[in-house]
Amino acid sequence: GAVVSQHPSWVICKSGTSVKIECRSLDFQATTMFWYRQFPKQSLMLMATSNEGSKATYEQGVEKDKFLINHASLTLSTLTVTSAHPEDSSFYICSAAGTRGRGEQFFGPGTRLTVL
Amino acid sequence: QQQVKQSPQSLIVQKGGISIINCAYENTAFDYFPWYQQFPGKGPALLIAIRPDVSEKKEGRFTISFNKSAKQFSLHIMDSQPGDSATYFCAASRGYGGATNKLIFGTGTLLAVQP
Repeated sequence: GAVVSQHPSWVICKSGTSVKIECRSLDFQATTMFWYRQFPKQSLMLMATSNEGSKATYEQGVEKDKFLINHASLTLSTLTVTSAHPEDSSFYICSAAGTRGRGEQFFGPGTRLTVL
Repeated sequence: QQQVKQSPQSLIVQKGGISIINCAYENTAFDYFPWYQQFPGKGPALLIAIRPDVSEKKEGRFTISFNKSAKQFSLHIMDSQPGDSATYFCAASRGYGGATNKLIFGTGTLLAVQP
């Protein structure tokens, strides 16, 4: 099946610092990548959708200046949480859709962010 | 209209029993209905999916039943095993949820299969 990786799998940072999370499609080209946020015992909340080479489209209520998304290649998207605060602590999951299967989303393993 | 309602919130089933999780949607433009399985600390994994041109799809112990007129679909796990204990999410979208067709997720069901 299609493989999507995320790095790091977990990160702890101090309040006020920025953190970058990478999402890679390992065996297919991802024309579209999605970033989700998941709080404990809750569902996945879509943050933004990005198409390769274009600016990301953010969901209502998501601060685009705080959550910077770059999708510079067909296999890599990055999410940068700028000036992180404890309330940004969450599980961040990416997914990728493109040349594998019928275009459905394949999910990464997630990144646990803890902001102290 | 974009919501997908999922029930129950949690479910306890004995080993060997049948687990049933239900979802309902409003948007009749949805034509792709996947189910995802998520273990703690992991990303969701596609379990099984159905399109509205069929009323049932079976893959091993997992079956989706789809009722287009009622705008409902459900996941049945036959012969439930302790290894099936996880959170299950239903979802719906237009197309296959790629490109600009967003997946709309249900609220999730925490399944515990007791040995």
